[in-house]
Amino acid sequence: QQQVKQSPQSLIVQKGGISIINCAYENTAFDYFPWYQQFPGKGPALLIAIRPDVSEKKEGRFTISFNKSAKQFSLHIMDSQPGDSATYFCAARRGAGTYKYIFGTGTRLKVLA
Amino acid sequence: ETGVTQSPTHLIKTRGQQVTLRCSSQSGHNTVSWYQQALGQGPQFIFQYYREEENGRGNFPPRFSGLQFPNYSSELNVNALELDDSALYLCASSFRGAEEQYFGPGTRLTVT
Repeated sequence: QQQVKQSPQSLIVQKGGISIINCAYENTAFDYFPWYQQFPGKGPALLIAIRPDVSEKKEGRFTISFNKSAKQFSLHIMDSQPGDSATYFCAARRGAGTYKYIFGTGTRLKVLA
Repeated sequence: ETGVTQSPTHLIKTRGQQVTLRCSSQSGHNTVSWYQQALGQGPQFIFQYYREEENGRGNFPPRFSGLQFPNYSSELNVNALELDDSALYLCASSFRGAEEQYFGPGTRLTVT
């Protein structure tokens, strides 16, 4: 129940294409769903996040789609650029008390120039 | 406003030794969480500190312990190091109850 399952493990996209990464969860106590971007040798950086009462959130080229009934959410990167090449992690926060974050296993994205 | 900082950047220890990692939280943040990130994996929650007390723990043995100081900075201590402890250790700070947490650059620990 504590797991967040992320797919695909790796993704190769042409420059200008759309990158889509999916995550699924089981625990309905999760109340906040962030996406992090991590470059080699760096800590994860908060990219975009959504709460379960919202079905979609867009910030620039990044969009989160959230399906509460299916317990799934996804990250869409529009007009993907070589600089977007990084590892992306979805996460889910269990609110109240510890505010513990559970992370997916990551998706290594490579955008070809 | 300064971000989350961690020290040291890299560390090499021998199995059985003890290690202390340090984290300074982002200005205004009163909660610190520690994560272990093995190579090719997502961060795994170790524990969280708020008001200088442990406030939740992941599935890590007692040889992983921590401290939080009045200025909200924090330490992670690992005793009796094992080879499997080799990982990137990440510190994240947040304001209690706020949704966003911000990570430091991590400390790369290698146990030989």
